[in-house]
Amino acid sequence: DVKVTQSSRYLVKRTGEKVFLECVQDMDHENMFWYRQDPGLGLRLIYFSYDVKMKEKGDIPEGYSVSREKKERFSLILESASTNQTSMYLCASSLMTSASSYEQYFGPGTRLTVT
Amino acid sequence: DAKTTQPNSMESNEEEPVHLPCNHSTISGTDYIHWYRQLPSQGPEYVIHGLTSNVNNRMASLAIAEDRKSSTLILHRATLRDAAVYYCILDSGSARQLTFGSGTQLTVLP
Repeated sequence: DVKVTQSSRYLVKRTGEKVFLECVQDMDHENMFWYRQDPGLGLRLIYFSYDVKMKEKGDIPEGYSVSREKKERFSLILESASTNQTSMYLCASSLMTSASSYEQYFGPGTRLTVT
Repeated sequence: DAKTTQPNSMESNEEEPVHLPCNHSTISGTDYIHWYRQLPSQGPEYVIHGLTSNVNNRMASLAIAEDRKSSTLILHRATLRDAAVYYCILDSGSARQLTFGSGTQLTVLP
């Protein structure tokens, strides 16, 4: 089974701190994604990566950056955390296949609170 | 982007079949129909996807209308563990993202 793990289930940080959220997948997937989930807004894509050192902005990249130095690891960085970044953060991965569609495998999520 | 419409909530009795509807009247010819579910305090979980033909897997069946403007996720025998939010999503195959709407909250009654 595909496993996607996230470094923390719960995290509390202070405004202005630099925050690192780590995600690791063990199935050699090319694609990795970071979403945030907020009540009433569903899941929104922050960034995704389709290869090592490659990244593309999603719908809400402002205030975030990402790093993918190894295929299995995708990090989300909050450069200076703000209270409006309090949210559930979800990492996902998927294969890059020749088929036109694919399934995404999600981690358990990190609930981040910024105070 | 093509959008999907789902009921906000549905109820089912345990061990009975459940039919979760989804309308996608603006679907394009290359859009795949995906279903995910999210159990409480967990990340979304892939359920099934299809393009034109009906699909079956160990978790569920997907029935796609002939005109592809709607689809139905079928859980053949609901269990209490199937209580979750179910999302119907269209994927253009861009390998870019899945757009999750608000989904259907399924409650399974014992």
